[in-house]
Amino acid sequence: GENVEQHPSTLSVQEGDSAVIKCTYSDSASNYFPWYKQELGKRPQLIIDIRSNVGEKKDQRIAVTLNKTAKHFSLHITETQPEDSAVYFCAASNTGNQFYFGTGTSLTVIP
Amino acid sequence: KAGVTQTPRYLIKTRGQQVTLSCSPISGHRSVSWYQQTPGQGLQFLFEYFSETQRNKGNFPGRFSGRQFSNSRSEMNVSTLELGDSALYLCASSRPSLSSYNEQFFGPGTRLTVL
Repeated sequence: GENVEQHPSTLSVQEGDSAVIKCTYSDSASNYFPWYKQELGKRPQLIIDIRSNVGEKKDQRIAVTLNKTAKHFSLHITETQPEDSAVYFCAASNTGNQFYFGTGTSLTVIP
Repeated sequence: KAGVTQTPRYLIKTRGQQVTLSCSPISGHRSVSWYQQTPGQGLQFLFEYFSETQRNKGNFPGRFSGRQFSNSRSEMNVSTLELGDSALYLCASSRPSLSSYNEQFFGPGTRLTVL
């Protein structure tokens, strides 16, 4: 089955700096890659996703890139703010609605 | 539109007992997936139900089972509880679509503690 690895497990950045979280996947059949943000004590919420026919997608301060050849995808957050502090999960899915999640990155934005 | 709901929110059980968790998806969503979340392990996929049928299954022992009702509500059962089953159990629903890209909407989770 699919194996998703996520790095780093913890990340601290100064407010205003950029943060990058990287994930790799093993199954070349995976074609949908969502990113979820989970604030403390809350449910995971989708923040951005990318499909395998696209190399990059941007939504305001958040962007995701996908390299299908290397089987890795990354989340980029620019101009970080304290409210960006949360745990971020990447995931990979193929046609079948089965999602494989990374182990999460705890992001702390220091004011 | 109401979000995904899960009951109960908190449970305390002892080893050897069994437990049933419930998930009500967003209206119109027919797919319900269950995940176990533990510190350091992320979200681990348990199973997915679609139209009352288990469509996908993760690598969990047979003590973990589930079902889905005709109204798309789903239950998850864990029998013979072990200490290691202590976790946050999340369910997620998605709507049926011809597209393979179905966004999952998560419930608030059920925090299970096994003593």
